[in-house]
Amino acid sequence: GDSVTQMEGPVTLSEEAFLTINCTYTATGYPSLFWYVQYPGEGLQLLLKATKADDKGSNKGFEATYRKETTSFHLEKGSVQVSDSAVYFCALRETLTQGGSEKLVFGKGTKLTVNP
Amino acid sequence: DAGVTQSPTHLIKTRGQQVTLRCSPKSGHDTVSWYQQALGQGPQFIFQYYEEEERQRGNFPDRFSGHQFPNYSSELNVNALLLGDSALYLCASTLDRGVGEAFFGQGTRLTVV
Repeated sequence: GDSVTQMEGPVTLSEEAFLTINCTYTATGYPSLFWYVQYPGEGLQLLLKATKADDKGSNKGFEATYRKETTSFHLEKGSVQVSDSAVYFCALRETLTQGGSEKLVFGKGTKLTVNP
Repeated sequence: DAGVTQSPTHLIKTRGQQVTLRCSPKSGHDTVSWYQQALGQGPQFIFQYYEEEERQRGNFPDRFSGHQFPNYSSELNVNALLLGDSALYLCASTLDRGVGEAFFGQGTRLTVV
């Protein structure tokens, strides 16, 4: 089945540093790609998405570009803030075999801590 | 809009017991998917319900079962609990069998002792 591999954490940065979290995927076809964020004690929130090759998703200063040739969807932010401290999950949406349903396949997550 | 709501938020059960978790989807959504997130791991797909039927199941044993009601809310049942079932259980709602953005609840933290 499809799978997602993302950079192992934890990642610790100082405020205003540049952030990159690597994500690569294995899939048949061309899945939609997502980054989700999970703050302590909370569920998942969609951060950004891209639905086809070369699409760039962006939100709250975060960006990721769907690269079909390298099967990657790396997350970047130019200047992180303390409030960005959270766990980040890369995911793809896979079409299920029955009834055209779709499910999300997640990476293991990368914990980011930003220090003042 | 209330979004996706799950109950309870936390619970502790003993090995061998049974547990029921509940999920109300976002208003207008008709599809509910359940995920298990073990500590330090990404969420793993358990199953999906649409039109009150289980549409697909992930790699989980039959001890995990579910139900969807006519109002689209859903339950996840786990029988004969094992210590390894301790995890955060997340419910996600979407439209039309998973197409479109998935909205997640805050999850139910299950601890099996």
